[in-house]
Amino acid sequence: AQSVTQLDSQVPVFEEAPVELRCNYSSSVSVYLFWYVQYPNQGLQLLLKYLSGSTLVESINGFEAEFNKSQTSFHLRKPSVHISDTAEYFCAVSSSSNFGNEKLTFGTGTRLTIIP
Amino acid sequence: DAGVIQSPRHEVTEMGQEVTLRCKPISGHDYLFWYRQTMMRGLELLIYFNNNVPIDDSGMPEDRFSAKMPNASFSTLKIQPSEPRDSAVYFCASSPQPESELFFGEGSRLTVL
Repeated sequence: AQSVTQLDSQVPVFEEAPVELRCNYSSSVSVYLFWYVQYPNQGLQLLLKYLSGSTLVESINGFEAEFNKSQTSFHLRKPSVHISDTAEYFCAVSSSSNFGNEKLTFGTGTRLTIIP
Repeated sequence: DAGVIQSPRHEVTEMGQEVTLRCKPISGHDYLFWYRQTMMRGLELLIYFNNNVPIDDSGMPEDRFSAKMPNASFSTLKIQPSEPRDSAVYFCASSPQPESELFFGEGSRLTVL
């Protein structure tokens, strides 16, 4: 079984400041890791994912996350946030063996609020 | 494509009433998932379907919950009778393959008084 912890339920950040949203996971086997984003009044959508290869993965809108196996973390970062980044961010983990969406475990989410 | 469509977006009902939530997946997606989101437990998978057949309903909390998928373009999640602890946001999601990206609807916010 696996689990994922997002310690920060809310993160307020000034516009153009950097941000880090923390995600730690627990698993006894190799994992796949995901970040989903939910913009206001919309459904969740995939932001980025780590399956294998480079431990640093990037999204098209400037976010990046780094898989750190020794610290069992997959923190999400952006060097300069914009008002449009206001959303709730969900970290998710799954065993990499015989992966299917039904095996995804989601965190409780982090609400990112950008202050003008 | 219009994406995954859920209805109603908001539902307020009284304890003991029957609640039906509806979902239209993206055309061509063979997998449909129902999730429940609460502050305490985050997103929990309730049940998922493959080609309209329920595959795993182990996440359904009680017999009061039931889900059906009569055809490839429609699914329902029913709670009968509803209780205050069922208050949550219920999401429907679909994907073309089990390992593909999940596409979520906007959710149905249920409040049971």
